[in-house]
Amino acid sequence: DAGVIQSPRHEVTEMGQEVTLRCKPISGHDYLFWYRQTMMRGLELLIYFNNNVPIDDSGMPEDRFSAKMPNASFSTLKIQPSEPRDSAVYFCASSLGQFNAEAFFGQGTRLTVV
Amino acid sequence: DAKTTQPNSMESNEEEPVHLPCNHSTISGTDYIHWYRQLPSQGPEYVIHGLTSNVNNRMASLAIAEDRKSSTLILHRATLRDAAVYYCILLAPYNFNKFYFGSGTKLNVKP
Repeated sequence: DAGVIQSPRHEVTEMGQEVTLRCKPISGHDYLFWYRQTMMRGLELLIYFNNNVPIDDSGMPEDRFSAKMPNASFSTLKIQPSEPRDSAVYFCASSLGQFNAEAFFGQGTRLTVV
Repeated sequence: DAKTTQPNSMESNEEEPVHLPCNHSTISGTDYIHWYRQLPSQGPEYVIHGLTSNVNNRMASLAIAEDRKSSTLILHRATLRDAAVYYCILLAPYNFNKFYFGSGTKLNVKP
């Protein structure tokens, strides 16, 4: 397996534009996580899914953020409208979800909102 | 929620052992102790995890105190590639609501 695949790797957009980040988890994994990382706040868990269903979205900062998982092989994180303070690296991770299962992280998407 | 406490930074010489401590005095009986690390410009990667007994794998060893209130990640021979931020995380089975990363320990390895 190629691991967790995120796209794009880099995204530069103007304030107010819609941004969509994409993630393809490892085949067979039933948990998917979205994280955001900044120098100030470190790694923050935004939301996670189990079997395509959102379980906990308490980490989503505002209503401008939304995440979907239409099927087991694809998830999106959307920001609409984007703001400069959303600039960060966004990571997606997947796991088998068992108590002794490790989570595999993608390479991340570096988002810059100007 | 149970929290973990780690030193902000540590330094080691190449090819010497490194002991990275983690305190988790409020750990619950169902919490597993997980360690991840993040190399520069990469996503976090799993290192090792355990519940009560010490654990070994190809990357590292995990020593867990008898009362489980602390643990130590042991890198037997540090290499320059081991320079990273190491995170100690507590996770209960099927409960990822606590799958958050603290500030971790930044390990610097000197040649």
